[in-house]
Amino acid sequence: QKEVEQNSGPLSVPEGAIASLNCTYSDRVSQSFFWYRQYSGKSPELIMSIYSNGDKEDGRFTAQLNKASQYVSLLIRDSQPSDSATYLCAVKPSGMRFGAGTRLTVKP
Amino acid sequence: ETGVTQSPTHLIKTRGQQVTLRCSSQSGHNTVSWYQQALGQGPQFIFQYYREEENGRGNFPPRFSGLQFPNYSSELNVNALELDDSALYLCASSQIGHGDIGYTFGSGTRLTVV
Repeated sequence: QKEVEQNSGPLSVPEGAIASLNCTYSDRVSQSFFWYRQYSGKSPELIMSIYSNGDKEDGRFTAQLNKASQYVSLLIRDSQPSDSATYLCAVKPSGMRFGAGTRLTVKP
Repeated sequence: ETGVTQSPTHLIKTRGQQVTLRCSSQSGHNTVSWYQQALGQGPQFIFQYYREEENGRGNFPPRFSGLQFPNYSSELNVNALELDDSALYLCASSQIGHGDIGYTFGSGTRLTVV
C-alpha cells in the first residue's frame, strides 16, 4: 500500500466549476497535511496546510481532513484556467511524503 | 529574504559516476529535505536533515547520502549512478520549532544519467 494515494486523473472541469481533489494516506500517526500545486516544469508550491479535522478555507481553496477515515481533500471553487496544474497531496509523519499527484485541467 | 536555491540546474553524468548536488536553504530555515521526482510522478522522499543530522530517510539505498552544514546548506551525493537515477532532484527547506509551516522548494536539478 502506498503511503499517500491520489487519483492520477486527468481531471477536467469547465471554468467557474468546483474542482474536487482527493487523497488517502496510510500512516495513522500523520499529523500534518499539505496540498501543493506544481505547474509543468516547475517545482511544487504550497497552497494549503491543515492539521485538524474539519474544513479550512483560504480564498477559493478549501481543504478538508478526516483523520478517522485517513482522508484529505481539496476543493477549488470558481476554477480558472490558471488553476490547471498537478496537485500534490503530502502528509508528514517524519519527512514529507507525497502522492503521485492529480492533473487538473480547467477548460475556458 | 532569499528562497531555496539549487545548483546546478542541469547535469549529465555517465552510469557508474558520482554526483554532488547542492542546496542553499531559505533564510531562517533549519531543516532541509531532498526529493527525487521522476517524470509524471510525485516527489519521493530521500532524506531529511536537521541540525546537521539525518532525522528521516525514505526508501533509497545507501549510495544516496547527504550532508547539512552549519549554515543549513546541504549536499546530496549519489554514488555509482544508475540509469534509473535520471530525475529531477528537489531540495526543500523548512523550520522545525516554529509550528509546521510546510516546505519551500528550490527549482531543482535535472540529472540525466547516460
